[in-house]
Amino acid sequence: SQQGEEDPQALSIQEGENATMNCSYKTSINNLQWYRQNSGRGLVHLILIRSNEREKHSGRLRVTLDTSKKSSSLLITASRAADTASYFCATVRDTDKLIFGTGTRLQVFP
Amino acid sequence: KAGVTQTPRYLIKTRGQQVTLSCSPISGHRSVSWYQQTPGQGLQFLFEYFSETQRNKGNFPGRFSGRQFSNSRSEMNVSTLELGDSALYLCASSLEAGRLLEQYFGPGTRLTVT
Repeated sequence: SQQGEEDPQALSIQEGENATMNCSYKTSINNLQWYRQNSGRGLVHLILIRSNEREKHSGRLRVTLDTSKKSSSLLITASRAADTASYFCATVRDTDKLIFGTGTRLQVFP
Repeated sequence: KAGVTQTPRYLIKTRGQQVTLSCSPISGHRSVSWYQQTPGQGLQFLFEYFSETQRNKGNFPGRFSGRQFSNSRSEMNVSTLELGDSALYLCASSLEAGRLLEQYFGPGTRLTVT
């Protein structure tokens, strides 16, 4: 079963706009990770945020984590057509299993 | 460094048959995990191997099994294939066991069961 639910399921924006994706999860976690997947290929790790962190940046990516609300958000600023992909959050609990959310399909139009 | 490689990339099998998928991790990586991705169930954890030992297992029937060799290469086997086993099977490697480290994914093996 999946730990995370992502919202929205799909998002379409124009190049240059910002894209925000949200992830909610059910139980306590050690850390939360975001991955990108292009067209049914392998996943690429984007960023990891630990449970004691609230915000993290990596290039055009900004991730926030609110453990009280059991939610995280991924913001992609100044999006590009190459950002078109599916984005997944994944949580890590005590068992060290990586549990993926349902994913958000992002389409960026030139 | 070469990335994670998976073979074969595409596979078509018939119900009742068995299949073996292979994964070669990034050089130096000792942990290999397997995931199944389907439109209905999404990405689900199958199992993790570290130093030739299964360290973690997901909620899959015993038809799904795996192993890891001394060079860290891993194989997963699915016996008595069912239509519902059609999926993209992803392998990921990391330096050590534990999810605090990022995982590097291979391109996947797309299995179709007819």
